[in-house]
Amino acid sequence: GQNIDQPTEMTATEGAIVQINCTYQTSGFNGLFWYQQHAGEAPTFLSYNVLDGLEEKGRFSSFLSRSKGYSYLLLKELQMKDSASYLCAVRPYSGGYQKVTFGTGTKLQVIP
Amino acid sequence: GAVVSQHPSWVICKSGTSVKIECRSLDFQATTMFWYRQFPKQSLMLMATSNEGSKATYEQGVEKDKFLINHASLTLSTLTVTSAHPEDSSFYICSCQGPNTGELFFGEGSRLTVL
Repeated sequence: GQNIDQPTEMTATEGAIVQINCTYQTSGFNGLFWYQQHAGEAPTFLSYNVLDGLEEKGRFSSFLSRSKGYSYLLLKELQMKDSASYLCAVRPYSGGYQKVTFGTGTKLQVIP
Repeated sequence: GAVVSQHPSWVICKSGTSVKIECRSLDFQATTMFWYRQFPKQSLMLMATSNEGSKATYEQGVEKDKFLINHASLTLSTLTVTSAHPEDSSFYICSCQGPNTGELFFGEGSRLTVL
């Protein structure tokens, strides 16, 4: 089976940096996604890692270590609008259109 | 702009009726679409994988006779909740895998409330 763990809730201050961790145990691996989801809305794509290392995209960066089954999402210069749930998702198999399994999400609250 | 369109966004129905939700890929052909359900304060749970021109693949615990999926074309998949009950009230979201990067594109979601 697939198991994806991430903290349930986090709180950070506006302007600060926050790191959201995700660990996974899956049967095979073919990519890890991070999505942002505001309450009542559909998820929006943030990043996709398939190789080890850090992917930077503006204020958001995502890191992957396949050997450790570990990823993190780094948010810099936090803004109030970054308050949302952040979902870690893993595609376990390679090839074809394989289903993606989502973690339970981390609810981030940004405070002034 | 949106690459996946989902309709309706909100629907309220009486218990025992059926509700159809549509999911359209706008910019590319999607041979496979995924249907998720999300209860309040929970993550997305995959219900089924919709395959164009063939039967959908349902996840364990999802009743295929209750959640009918039709994927008649490369750009349209529908989910019909049959004989809906209050416990079916949820946020239903479809997604399509992009043609290049493998990214999942999500529809806007459909919030179903069964009275």
